[in-house]
Amino acid sequence: AQKITQTQPGMFVQEKEAVTLDCTYDTSDQSYGLFWYKQPSSGEMIFLIYQGSYDEQNATEGRYSLNFQKARKSANLVISASQLGDSAMYFCAMRELYNFNKFYFGSGTKLNVKP
Amino acid sequence: GAVVSQHPSRVICKSGTSVKIECRSLDFQATTMFWYRQFPKQSLMLMATSNEGSKATYEQGVEKDKFLINHASLTLSTLTVTSAHPEDSSFYICSAFNGQGTNGYTFGSGTRLTVV
Repeated sequence: AQKITQTQPGMFVQEKEAVTLDCTYDTSDQSYGLFWYKQPSSGEMIFLIYQGSYDEQNATEGRYSLNFQKARKSANLVISASQLGDSAMYFCAMRELYNFNKFYFGSGTKLNVKP
Repeated sequence: GAVVSQHPSRVICKSGTSVKIECRSLDFQATTMFWYRQFPKQSLMLMATSNEGSKATYEQGVEKDKFLINHASLTLSTLTVTSAHPEDSSFYICSAFNGQGTNGYTFGSGTRLTVV
């Protein structure tokens, strides 16, 4: 089974509007971490936000927030007030405690912000 | 913040030659470094994990004799693609872990390898 599933290969959003990128995960581990990364066309992976499995509050970092629903095993990324510079690939990733160094990445979502 | 430098950013080589890619942690010591491969429009696939001073651990299906990894110091890991072939053309990206915190991982900017 896929560890990380991103069902939206591509998304469009109007500038200044909010957008939600979906991510579901599969693990039997009780302790894990969830990450979102942005990859612009230049290729580098830019860390956006992190949510620990025991964190009770949803993580927020500026315009990014993570909608963590543990029972549903979902970790959706919400970008508020989209900007043209947000156009990029976005990857959801997970790391499990028992295999602490290994990241599982989703297939990514290509976000296009329209002016 | 933590910075990882990856060099070169782009390389074109002839089939049958070897190419070395460097990954350096500039302002921290990386206890562990990781090498990923990314095909166009696909996700990152972990190739190997390397700890300073020890042999790399390769993921299943990755040829260790083809993709040589050396982690000689706490700030430098190298990936050498030996006897490169066109099917090795890909985007290679490294990540370094500083051993601290839940997000002590920093990615390099990647290397686009084209084998002609």
